Amino acid sequence: QKEVEQNSGPLSVPEGAIASLNCTYSDRGSQSFFWYRQYSGKSPELIMFIYSNGDKEDGRFTAQLNKASQYVSLLIRDSQPSDSATYLCAVNLNQAGTALIFGKGTTLSVSS
Amino acid sequence: DAGITQSPRYKITETGRQVTLMCHQTWSHSYMFWYRQDLGHGLRLIYYSAAADITDKGEVPDGYVVSRSKTENFPLTLESATRSQTSVYFCASRVTSGNTYEQYFGPGTRLTVT
Repeated sequence: QKEVEQNSGPLSVPEGAIASLNCTYSDRGSQSFFWYRQYSGKSPELIMFIYSNGDKEDGRFTAQLNKASQYVSLLIRDSQPSDSATYLCAVNLNQAGTALIFGKGTTLSVSS
Repeated sequence: DAGITQSPRYKITETGRQVTLMCHQTWSHSYMFWYRQDLGHGLRLIYYSAAADITDKGEVPDGYVVSRSKTENFPLTLESATRSQTSVYFCASRVTSGNTYEQYFGPGTRLTVT
């Protein structure tokens, strides 16, 4: 059974702090990795993807991938109350991109 | 630029009834997907389609039927709804970006089976 694991949270951080969200996956053959943000009652919104080891930065967001440890993380710098949401980690298991497995999500709460 | 739309947004139906959830995309993406999202399970793939008239099962296909006669539409049918199919259903389409694929989701349909 291919799995993607996330701490459910809630992860609580003060406004302006760095939020660190973590994800592990079981399939070493996983091809690419995604972070989605989902506000309550809304659909998932793609915020980052990464497929090579190392870091990828986009504005306040940094995705980090370590394939040897089967670990992917998302850092949110200067956290804002508007970042409060559930963050879903997703892993693409095949080259065709037709097997996207989602974690259950980590709920982030940013307090002002 | 509507992207992906789903209809209806909310639906209540009775056990045993047939119900069809609609998905329409304006991007002409080849790949489209149907997911369900349940507490405790996260998002799970029901079916996907690589192109018109090409569909394949995902992780939880039982009790569902799909068709894709046109690239822009990908309806999902529950032939005989059961209470266990109460869920939020998301349609997604995919764009190829360099070496990877990005899926974009519609607004979802909240289905309640009584």
